[in-house]
Amino acid sequence: AQKVTQAQTEISVVEKEDVTLDCVYETRDTTYYLFWYKQPPSGELVFLIRRNSFDEQNEISGRYSWNFQKSTSSFNFTITASQVVDSAVYFCALSEAKNTGNQFYFGTGTSLTVIP
Amino acid sequence: DTGVSQNPRHKITKRGQNVTFRCDPISEHNRLYWYRQTLGQGPEFLTYFQNEAQLEKSRLLSDRFSAERPKGSFSTLEIQRTEQGDSAMYLCASRGNGQKNSPLHFGNGTRLTVT
Repeated sequence: AQKVTQAQTEISVVEKEDVTLDCVYETRDTTYYLFWYKQPPSGELVFLIRRNSFDEQNEISGRYSWNFQKSTSSFNFTITASQVVDSAVYFCALSEAKNTGNQFYFGTGTSLTVIP
Repeated sequence: DTGVSQNPRHKITKRGQNVTFRCDPISEHNRLYWYRQTLGQGPEFLTYFQNEAQLEKSRLLSDRFSAERPKGSFSTLEIQRTEQGDSAMYLCASRGNGQKNSPLHFGNGTRLTVT
């Protein structure tokens, strides 16, 4: 079973619009960690944000904000006032505390295109 | 902090040949991971090292694949008798020590094409 589901395959927005990327995860662990990564055309995965399962406070960091809802197993990511440089593939990832190596399970990614 | 370094960036090989990739993690990181990414997919876990010990291997890692981290610093991933299905981006990542919620830091990857 897929541990991380990103239902949105591709999204296009016009510059300065807000955009929300959806992520639904599945785990039986009580302690786990959630992450968002950005993969621009250059290919390198860049860490953006993380959340611990025991901390449901939602936060804002610059143009990024995230909404963690344990009740619905969702960890959505919002970019406010999108810019062309935000065009990339975004991956949501889950790491379970009980797992030996704390390996990350990634979703299939959402390709975001910001149109100038 | 010079980041995670991988080489080569690209490798084209003929089916049946052996290939080896290298990863140099962030120097103070004792945890090192190999992932594979195919087009339109997210990275898939292959194997994990803590220092020189290989502690976990995915079932994706067939017996044609072998990874080493001999001195707990750099790591190599070798694929023997390559097949066209091995064509993918091979990503290396490292993590800070101890904390379970520390993020993975990825290299630029090695893109393998098997013809």
